[in-house]
Amino acid sequence: DAGVIQSPRHEVTEMGQEVTLRCKPISGHNSLFWYRQTMMRGLELLIYFNNNVPIDDSGMPEDRFSAKMPNASFSTLKIQPSEPRDSAVYFCASSFWGTGQPQHFGDGTRLSIL
Amino acid sequence: SQQGEEDPQALSIQEGENATMNCSYKTSINNLQWYRQNSGRGLVHLILIRSNEREKHSGRLRVTLDTSKKSSSLLITASRAADTASYFCATDAGPLGNQGGKLIFGQGTELSVKP
Repeated sequence: DAGVIQSPRHEVTEMGQEVTLRCKPISGHNSLFWYRQTMMRGLELLIYFNNNVPIDDSGMPEDRFSAKMPNASFSTLKIQPSEPRDSAVYFCASSFWGTGQPQHFGDGTRLSIL
Repeated sequence: SQQGEEDPQALSIQEGENATMNCSYKTSINNLQWYRQNSGRGLVHLILIRSNEREKHSGRLRVTLDTSKKSSSLLITASRAADTASYFCATDAGPLGNQGGKLIFGQGTELSVKP
């Protein structure tokens, strides 16, 4: 079975550029989560979707961040314009909706903003 | 804000020894989960314990939950070099039937098992 697939695995770009991270969840899962991981702040939940609808975006740091889920098999996280403090590893995870469901993580996108 | 706090932050042991990691949290929970992260990879789910359970086993893993103290522990018995990784607890504190299993992760314990 294919797991959660994220692309790209690594992204290096200059400050001010638009960055788009992509995620393909596990087929059949109806919840999708975007996280950011840094040494200073650990693993932070940015936003999550159920059945393609955003449920909670309270973790999105500011308006420069946006996320979409146009269909059940694809989601994007966009940063525009990017800043050096956005450098982190961004993870996507998917699961079945409901409490007690384990989340399945992709291997992340390591983002460096110069 | 972080729900879970883990202790110790780092742990170094010899192969064959047991490793114990602790997690404390602040609010009532539906369940608590433990995940493992190898360097450069995503998190992998290990085990889930529900709020009405006190202990759970899975292979070499043993998890305990004390809801009165708002704490959990993960014990890895007979550790192996391949167990070297970071271990995270995550709490599911959403109302039952709601929240869709939103998890709040601790800062993690970095375990090093030396051969």
